[in-house]
Amino acid sequence: EVQLVESGGGLVEPGDSLRLSCVCSGCSLINAWLSWVRQAPGKGLEWVGRIKNEADGGTTDYAAPVKDRFIISRDDSKNTLFLQMNTLRTEDTATYYCTTILPGSRWGFHVWGRGTLVTVSS
Amino acid sequence: QSMLTQPPSASGTPGQRITISCSGSSSNIGNHYVFWYKQVPGTAPKVLIYNYNQRPSGVPDRFSGSHSGTSASLAISGLRSEDEAHYYCAAWDDSLSGPVFGGGTRLTVL
Repeated sequence: EVQLVESGGGLVEPGDSLRLSCVCSGCSLINAWLSWVRQAPGKGLEWVGRIKNEADGGTTDYAAPVKDRFIISRDDSKNTLFLQMNTLRTEDTATYYCTTILPGSRWGFHVWGRGTLVTVSS
Repeated sequence: QSMLTQPPSASGTPGQRITISCSGSSSNIGNHYVFWYKQVPGTAPKVLIYNYNQRPSGVPDRFSGSHSGTSASLAISGLRSEDEAHYYCAAWDDSLSGPVFGGGTRLTVL
């Protein structure tokens, strides 16, 4: 069974950086497009960004609120997706989910991890 | 304010059929597939419907999706207590160059 497991969340102060990881257990991510989605406490879902597989160029796209602050990368040799979050703001407080993207779709979130909570507070 | 509009709440009794609407525009639902997600509080979302009306394996056929123009709907028939959850629609949006979610609908089974 495909299982995504995020890690790296925690409590940080505004302006800090944090790096999240997402490992796929029971699967290979090498051919997958991958995405990060976040959910602020008690709020709805918000797309953060995506990364294509290397065969499709490995390029990234980001939502406007995180563009130029967040960086998505991948290490297919370790079956791992990363989210580097810089210059964190209080409004970045959320549970961050990694997802696979449905094959054939360019964004459709398919398999989801359980999420990791990031709290930005002074 | 989300670019996809859902009613904040819906309710029904066991066995009933309910629908949840998702209203958008030509920059999203009108020209792109809609996905529906179910999220039980405290857990990760799960895909219910993709490409307007397709069900992933394992999703019961009590769940169905449809769309017309710039709106989409999720229907749940034979309502069960385990259907209590938040439901979100999502679609690609050309003006944002990315996917957007509806604000979510909290379904209560009375």
